[in-house]
Amino acid sequence: SAVISQKPSRDICQRGTSLTIQCQVDSQVTMMFWYRQQPGQSLTLIATANQGSEATYESGFVIDKFPISRPNLTFSTLTVSNMSPEDSSIYLCSVVRGGMNTEAFFGQGTRLTVV
Amino acid sequence: QQQVKQSPQSLIVQKGGISIINCAYENTAFDYFPWYQQFPGKGPALLIAIRPDVSEKKEGRFTISFNKSAKQFSLHIMDSQPGDSATYFCAATHTGKLIFGQGTTLQVKP
Repeated sequence: SAVISQKPSRDICQRGTSLTIQCQVDSQVTMMFWYRQQPGQSLTLIATANQGSEATYESGFVIDKFPISRPNLTFSTLTVSNMSPEDSSIYLCSVVRGGMNTEAFFGQGTRLTVV
Repeated sequence: QQQVKQSPQSLIVQKGGISIINCAYENTAFDYFPWYQQFPGKGPALLIAIRPDVSEKKEGRFTISFNKSAKQFSLHIMDSQPGDSATYFCAATHTGKLIFGQGTTLQVKP
């Protein structure tokens, strides 16, 4: 398995502000992803965090709204920019340690409430 | 083509019973099918996973059945316990990016 530390665990933010979420893994991983889980819903992939280069975003998600950094093989950040109440969700970091179709592990998530 | 459809949305089972959750997919390129368990306030935890070269995988009380021709797979929880009460998600991938089902909320009554 992988030990994933995600910070903050929760936050309440004012609309129009930005929040940066950190994901730290205990050892090097092959792939890192960011997912969103809206209240009572399933998980939706936001983007793949690429080490040393721009993230790859899924349809419906853009870099200006969700800038992502991954400076090395164990750390990534996701920023939720210019927040609105619709951004209230759980944001989850996920890592894959082996090949692309091996076990994916999740952090505890960041519960974001925008007021 | 990227969807994974999961049913039922919710499930109530008596303690000791069998819980069955079903998933169906369209993309034949998918080659890894994990199941995750999520408790309130926690991130999803990998429960069990299967690849399409086998039809069944069992780990303790949890079994995945896989039907490649029907593009369906299911999770069976034997001897269900109140501690199994959680939300279960099936998923599929062939790129490392997980496509999740809609989730099933399981309640096991004592």
